[in-house]
Amino acid sequence: DIQMTQSPSSLSASVGDRVTITCQASQDISNYLNWYQQKPGKAPKLLIYDASNLETGVPSRFSGSGSGTDFTFTISSLQPEDIATYYCQQYDNLPTFGQGTRLEIK
Amino acid sequence: EEQLLESGGGLVQPGGSLRLSCAASGFTFSSFAMNWVRQAPGKGLEWVSAIGSRGTGTYYADSVKGRFTISRDNSKNTLYLQMNSLRAEDTAIYYCAKPRGGYLHDAFDFWGQGTMVTVSS
Repeated sequence: DIQMTQSPSSLSASVGDRVTITCQASQDISNYLNWYQQKPGKAPKLLIYDASNLETGVPSRFSGSGSGTDFTFTISSLQPEDIATYYCQQYDNLPTFGQGTRLEIK
Repeated sequence: EEQLLESGGGLVQPGGSLRLSCAASGFTFSSFAMNWVRQAPGKGLEWVSAIGSRGTGTYYADSVKGRFTISRDNSKNTLYLQMNSLRAEDTAIYYCAKPRGGYLHDAFDFWGQGTMVTVSS
């Protein structure tokens, strides 16, 4: 199985801050990497697919980059509604998720 | 509008069985592979199983292999997960998830609301 190491596990930031989350794969997964947002009591929501493509309807403050084993997810200017847990997920092989990053407002 | 509606969750004793269903609408179900993903209370997401669009080709996480069986009925636009020999560690919310492009290897662009499975004596 491909292991996904996501960091940090939790993050506290202020409104307007730039927020960055990283995800590292245990082997080369090309660009087969997605990012999801999950709010409490809700199903996950796809934000970024294929490492850097913004899903339709997702605000442009969200972005993703990377390829191979190292990936980055960025919120350019944190908004109050962005409070959630974020997960990376690879699909080069059977899907696996990162451990999640819990994002809080400072 | 796409919809995925899971059902069949509940409380079951260790060693018991349960069958989950996921009713799909708003897209051509028979053209899409489908997945089950679960989330234990307070924990992260874990992919469980996937099935090809025609029902040929099934895939399982090691944690459920040999105990769970995924299937589908394209005439009823419904996905199933038969869960046998259930363990306490199977306690979770079970989501069905649709792949963005319909492929087995893909991003999940739509999820159901989930159904809770609790395994406890």
